[in-house]
Amino acid sequence: EAQVTQNPRYLITVTGKKLTVTCSQNMNHEYMSWYRQDPGLGLRQIYYSMNVEVTDKGDVPEGYKVSRKEKRNFPLILESPSPNQTSLYFCASRVLGRKETQYFGPGTRLLVL
Amino acid sequence: RKEVEQDPGPFNVPEGATVAFNCTYSNSASQSFFWYRQDCRKEPKLLMSVYSSGNEDGRFTAQLNRASQYISLLIRDSKLSDSATYLCVVSGGYQKVTFGTGTKLQVIP
Repeated sequence: EAQVTQNPRYLITVTGKKLTVTCSQNMNHEYMSWYRQDPGLGLRQIYYSMNVEVTDKGDVPEGYKVSRKEKRNFPLILESPSPNQTSLYFCASRVLGRKETQYFGPGTRLLVL
Repeated sequence: RKEVEQDPGPFNVPEGATVAFNCTYSNSASQSFFWYRQDCRKEPKLLMSVYSSGNEDGRFTAQLNRASQYISLLIRDSKLSDSATYLCVVSGGYQKVTFGTGTKLQVIP
């Protein structure tokens, strides 16, 4: 089954404690993204990756890091989380071309105290 | 000005009604356009792509007007199961993807 998985699904942490949210896709897509979703602001792109070892900033990259060492994995790293990073995070993989589609993971709810 | 703007709603409509959503975008170089659906606290899912020639999928019709930089979605014969938030999405090919904040639809029995 084609899918995007994220872990953990729910996370409560404290300010400054480094964390990683993993994302994996089994569709061999080259393009992957991370988004955060906040009330009234919609989904905003944090980082995207067009292929292995190729990443670029989206609209709200401050406070986040990503890496793309393998095609299937695209982890999101918060080196020093702050309360304003409390949000719902989605990972997505994307197929481009005529049948362009983004496939989203189930989301990770993060609370930073 | 936001890159992609939508009326947040909510649109409360009775079953069987026809409802239309519009979305405007600011970047004239945008290449691809979509409508996604998001149920409460769930991940967005592609509803349909939007082409200049217009496209239809069952009760759903999408239109793109490049000259005026707006996208529309028409839902005919609304069902209770259509209740969701509808997200307008614009992308520049390989570059970043921009979502509107969404329009909430509530179909009432």
